[in-house]
Amino acid sequence: RKEVEQDPGPFNVPEGATVAFNCTYSNSASQSFFWYRQDCRKEPKLLMSVYSSGNEDGRFTAQLNRASQYISLLIRDSKLSDSATYLCVVNPRDTGRRALTFGSGTRLQVQP
Amino acid sequence: DTGVSQDPRHKITKRGQNVTFRCDPISEHNRLYWYRQTLGQGPEFLTYFQNEAQLEKSRLLSDRFSAERPKGSFSTLEIQRTEQGDSAMYLCASSLHGTTSGRSYNEQFFGPGTRLTVL
Repeated sequence: RKEVEQDPGPFNVPEGATVAFNCTYSNSASQSFFWYRQDCRKEPKLLMSVYSSGNEDGRFTAQLNRASQYISLLIRDSKLSDSATYLCVVNPRDTGRRALTFGSGTRLQVQP
Repeated sequence: DTGVSQDPRHKITKRGQNVTFRCDPISEHNRLYWYRQTLGQGPEFLTYFQNEAQLEKSRLLSDRFSAERPKGSFSTLEIQRTEQGDSAMYLCASSLHGTTSGRSYNEQFFGPGTRLTVL
C-alpha cells in the first residue's frame, strides 16, 4: 500500500464548477499535511497547508480528518487556470523524518 | 529572483557517464532536499541536509548517488555510471525549519528541476 494515495483522475469539469479531491495516508503519526499544485513540466508549488481545524484560502478549502487519515481539497468556482495536477503531501515525522511524502497526484482539467 | 535555482535545467548523457547537478536554495533556508520525479508520479525523496549535515538518505539513493552541501548553502548531486533508469526530473527544495505559535512548519519550496535523460 502506498503511503499517500490519490485518485489520479483526470477530473474534467466545466468552468465555474465545484470539484473535490480526496487523499488517504497510511502513517497515523503524520504531523504535517499540504496540497501542492504542479503544472505540466513545472516544479510543484505549495498551494496550501492543511490544519486540523480546516482552512480556507479564497476559492480553496482544505480539510483534515485524522481519525480516518484523509485529507480533502475543495475548489469552488473553477477557473481555466486551475487546470493542473494536485499533489497531496504528508510529512510522516514518526522517525524524525523531515522529507515529504507525495501522492501521485490528481489531474484536473477545467474546460470552457 | 530569490527562489530556488537549479543548474543545468536539462542534461542528456550516455549510459555510464557521470553527471553533477547544482542547487542554490533560498538564501535564509537551512534545509535542502533532493527529490526525483518520473512521469505520472509524485516526487520521491532522495536525501536532505540541515545546514551542511546530511541527515537522511532514502533507500532509493544507491551507492552511485552522492550529495554534498559543503558550506551549508548550495548543494550538488552527483550520479556516477548513469543508467537508463536514472532518467527523471531531479528536484531540489529548501525550507526554513522553525515554529510559529507552537506549530512547527516544514513548507518546502521547489526549484525548476534538472531533467536528466540517459541514452
